[in-house]
Amino acid sequence: QQQVKQSPQSLIVQKGGISIINCAYENTAFDYFPWYQQFPGKGPALLIAIRPDVSEKKEGRFTISFNKSAKQFSLHIMDSQPGDSATYFCAASKGNQFYFGTGTSLTVIP
Amino acid sequence: NAGVMQNPRHLVRRRGQEARLRCSPMKGHSHVYWYRQLPEEGLKFMVYLQKENIIDESGMPKERFSAEFPKEGPSILRIQQVVRGDSAAYFCASSPYSAGRNTGELFFGEGSRLTVL
Repeated sequence: QQQVKQSPQSLIVQKGGISIINCAYENTAFDYFPWYQQFPGKGPALLIAIRPDVSEKKEGRFTISFNKSAKQFSLHIMDSQPGDSATYFCAASKGNQFYFGTGTSLTVIP
Repeated sequence: NAGVMQNPRHLVRRRGQEARLRCSPMKGHSHVYWYRQLPEEGLKFMVYLQKENIIDESGMPKERFSAEFPKEGPSILRIQQVVRGDSAAYFCASSPYSAGRNTGELFFGEGSRLTVL
């Protein structure tokens, strides 16, 4: 059973546009929702994270929106740049259990 | 503070050989996770270890795969009698998590890419 469902699988955005990636989770016990960014040939790196007591968190051009009642959260990348082209993974965790989405391949066209 | 170190970065094996992948967690981290990533796919959890203990191996195939994290030295993921389907990138991650305090973050290494001929 997929604990975290992520969409879309791939995304193409023009430079300067907004990239939006969505995730949904099942287990209401999850208490930490990170997003990881992975460049080709590299390991995933933490990008931004949120806890369920907050509905939104912003760090620079990256924003997480969190809807606890709908059990959904999303990553918004404002003013998308070609350097943002990477694979993005959402995740949900409780204690030492981490569950990852299947990833979204983002391509930002110059 | 060095990050999570994995080696080898690339490993080529013929079918039937053994593959050993090593992971040294970040300094001060005593929790290690192993994930497998196939091309165009996400991260599949394999095993979670603490020093000298396997906590959760529910994602690891019961045959041919084993993992350990000894008191001294790196964590090792061992694949015996490799088959072509084992070709993948294997990522190790460490966490500073300790009982009662969840920082919620995993720190990943750069992965070991196994190719089985």
